[in-house]
Amino acid sequence: AQKITQTQPGMFVQEKEAVTLDCTYDTSDPSYGLFWYKQPSSGEMIFLIYQGSYDQQNATEGRYSLNFQKARKSANLVISASQLGDSAMYFCAMTSNYQLIWGAGTKLIIKP
Amino acid sequence: KAGVTQTPRYLIKTRGQQVTLSCSPISGHRSVSWYQQTPGQGLQFLFEYFSETQRNKGNFPGRFSGRQFSNSRSEMNVSTLELGDSALYLCASSLQSETGRGDTQYFGPGTRLTVL
Repeated sequence: AQKITQTQPGMFVQEKEAVTLDCTYDTSDPSYGLFWYKQPSSGEMIFLIYQGSYDQQNATEGRYSLNFQKARKSANLVISASQLGDSAMYFCAMTSNYQLIWGAGTKLIIKP
Repeated sequence: KAGVTQTPRYLIKTRGQQVTLSCSPISGHRSVSWYQQTPGQGLQFLFEYFSETQRNKGNFPGRFSGRQFSNSRSEMNVSTLELGDSALYLCASSLQSETGRGDTQYFGPGTRLTVL
């Protein structure tokens, strides 16, 4: 069965530092998509970045990049130069049969 | 382009009542998905609709139902509410491809349901 694992329940990071949020996945499907979403305290789920299983290059979107290691089944999110507004819950998710399978999330707190 | 809208944003009901939540997808998006988020269970998939057809359903009791209209708007209904149904209900829409794997789901602000 498909599964997403996020092993960091919470993280404190100093403002302007880079931060890596871990995500490992398990699937037997040869074709899949991996996503990262941000959820501020307001509750809305905000799409950050997408990586397809056949993509040769790691995805990047502004300050966000995805460190995709297919053999290790990991899809870590890297946020460069963190900002106070980055404080939020971050979820890793994977597509499967028209649904998203979610990890438990990581609560990121940026310290000034 | 307007984002996904959900109404109402907040709802308070009592046990035994029923509730209907509404979701309007991004213009042009034909797939709508619903998720339940609770502190204990995290994010769980409820169902997905495409062109008025339910293509997948999560592991929820029959009290949870949904539908999609010809304009892609969707509603979900929960009958005989229980205390455990208190949650944030999130709706997402996507453009949709044949496999569904690559389509990004864009979420609405959610409906926060409290059952007393």
